[in-house]
Amino acid sequence: ETGVTQTPRHLVMGMTNKKSLKCEQHLGHNAMYWYKQSAKKPLELMFVYNFKEQTENNSVPSRFSPECPNSSHLFLHLHTLQPEDSALYLCASSQEPGSTDTQYFGPGTRLTVL
Amino acid sequence: GENVEQHPSTLSVQEGDSAVIKCTYSDSASNYFPWYKQELGKRPQLIIDIRSNVGEKKDQRIAVTLNKTAKHFSLHITETQPEDSAVYFCAASSEGVRRGGGNKLTFGTGTQLKVEL
Repeated sequence: ETGVTQTPRHLVMGMTNKKSLKCEQHLGHNAMYWYKQSAKKPLELMFVYNFKEQTENNSVPSRFSPECPNSSHLFLHLHTLQPEDSALYLCASSQEPGSTDTQYFGPGTRLTVL
Repeated sequence: GENVEQHPSTLSVQEGDSAVIKCTYSDSASNYFPWYKQELGKRPQLIIDIRSNVGEKKDQRIAVTLNKTAKHFSLHITETQPEDSAVYFCAASSEGVRRGGGNKLTFGTGTQLKVEL
């Protein structure tokens, strides 16, 4: 349960605020991911990082800006968000960047944009 | 890109009965199919997965079957218990756009399973 941690767990922000979500994995993995989970929609992959390098940007608006300073940490910087961006943001990691590697999820950050 | 459809969206069974959730995928290149269980307010947790080189995998009360020709896979839970109540997600994975580009999972919309006493 503590392999992938996320902070904060809950965040309320206005549309003009700037905030950051943090993810840390303690599993020695090399790939990290951001997902968005909205009500009644499937989990949507946002970004993929492999050995600190961004390898996938799934057409995410520029108001979401990821940062991966090392293989253990992943950030999602938020600015000028919209109410429809309210969702659960999940971080995940996997051992290797291969397509058959298991992804382990963090507990998520529940984001509310007012 | 990949498209994963999952049915049913809700499933209610009596304790002890079996539950079956079905998913279809569109990309024939997909080669890894995990199933995640998400309890209310908690993170998705992997319960079983199958790779494209096998047709069936079982772990105690849980089994997954894969039909590559038809591009569908199913989750089977036998002898259901109240603690099996949760949302279950299927997913299909293909290699990212770039070689070594991570595990690009596409998820289904989820099935809310309720096991009634």
